[in-house]
Amino acid sequence: GAVVSQHPSRVICKSGTSVKIECRSLDFQATTMFWYRQFPKQSLMLMATSNEGSKATYEQGVEKDKFLINHASLTLSTLTVTSAHPEDSSFYICSASDTGAYGYTFGSGTRLTVV
Amino acid sequence: AQSVSQHNHHVILSEAASLELGCNYSYGGTVNLFWYVQYPGQHLQLLLKYFSGDPLVKGIKGFEAEFIKSKFSFNLRKPSVQWSDTAEYFCAVNDKIIFGKGTRLHILP
Repeated sequence: GAVVSQHPSRVICKSGTSVKIECRSLDFQATTMFWYRQFPKQSLMLMATSNEGSKATYEQGVEKDKFLINHASLTLSTLTVTSAHPEDSSFYICSASDTGAYGYTFGSGTRLTVV
Repeated sequence: AQSVSQHNHHVILSEAASLELGCNYSYGGTVNLFWYVQYPGQHLQLLLKYFSGDPLVKGIKGFEAEFIKSKFSFNLRKPSVQWSDTAEYFCAVNDKIIFGKGTRLHILP
């Protein structure tokens, strides 16, 4: 079945630094990838839709200059949290779809802690 | 705007009990509906999905869901739950996968 690999699974960074999270589709080409954020004991909140070869579409309230998304190939999307602050600490999850026909496959998530 | 509402935030059942988790959505167009499960310490997994056709959808692990268009609902059911079904369940709608807030299911052994 379809597999999405997300890396790193955990990262701790200092306040003010930037962190890059990778999302790879391992056995299929993903024209669209999604980035979510999950707060403790809450649901996933869609942050942005990443489209291969074009600019990402951000949901309302998500700062595009803070959460940089790059979908440079059909198998890789990256989310860079720039100038991270403690309030950016969260669980970030990506999902990928080729056409959406088979549902969406989720990565295992990245737990970001900003100290 | 799309939205998903899950009515049961925390459900506690005994093994062998029947389960129904509610999900209502708001969307004006053609809907694609999903149920995902997140077991403790694991990532989201697709339980089942509805795109078109038979409104009664059967998924993995004995779960099923029924799409009732007139009620804007897509409730998840299982006739007899097991302790291993303890998890968080998320209903989701459409291309961007807008999630409900989830239902935490706890099965008592």
